[in-house]
Amino acid sequence: KAGVTQTPRYLIKTRGQQVTLSCSPISGHRSVSWYQQTPGQGLQFLFEYFSETQRNKGNFPGRFSGRQFSNSRSEMNVSTLELGDSALYLCASSLEPADTQYFGPGTRLTVL
Amino acid sequence: GNSVTQMEGPVTLSEEAFLTINCTYTATGYPSLFWYVQYPGEGLQLLLKATKADDKGSNKGFEATYRKETTSFHLEKGSVQVSDSAVYFCALYVFGNEKLTFGTGTRLTIIP
Repeated sequence: KAGVTQTPRYLIKTRGQQVTLSCSPISGHRSVSWYQQTPGQGLQFLFEYFSETQRNKGNFPGRFSGRQFSNSRSEMNVSTLELGDSALYLCASSLEPADTQYFGPGTRLTVL
Repeated sequence: GNSVTQMEGPVTLSEEAFLTINCTYTATGYPSLFWYVQYPGEGLQLLLKATKADDKGSNKGFEATYRKETTSFHLEKGSVQVSDSAVYFCALYVFGNEKLTFGTGTRLTIIP
């Protein structure tokens, strides 16, 4: 069974731009979570989606948003990029909320 | 709130040495506990998990036992290999909190 896939793997943007990251969960998984990983803050939870509904949101500004589609694929969007948004963005999927999460390879975002 | 405290790194060991990476936690409910591993340039891979007290998770020679009385989930391996060099993350999930809470990670380097 294919794992979690994330596209693109690498992105370079400039301050003020916006970006959309995509995540395809493992087949049959209906829950998708997003995490941000930085050297300074470590791994921080962004949000979780299940059945196209956001169930939980981490402590991030409103510039960070996401959605989930009926096929469980998810996207996250960051508007008005700041230098501090440079990070590895990880998507994880699970069968249901509270089930074991399996991670994708991540999208490395660099903001210049 | 929920938190995970991991042994500070980096840790450097010789091949075939015994490995212990300490992990303790604080949780508001009854957590499930996980170890994830991250190889350079990759996402997180689930290494092992335990969902209730006294459970032992094991995989690829790694083991960890869920100790409720000491709120710990230490990772051990009897004989490490160069290929075990990676960053190891301890994490917990509390139902109702709807997110993984991670420790800061421990970088492990094995020298031949």
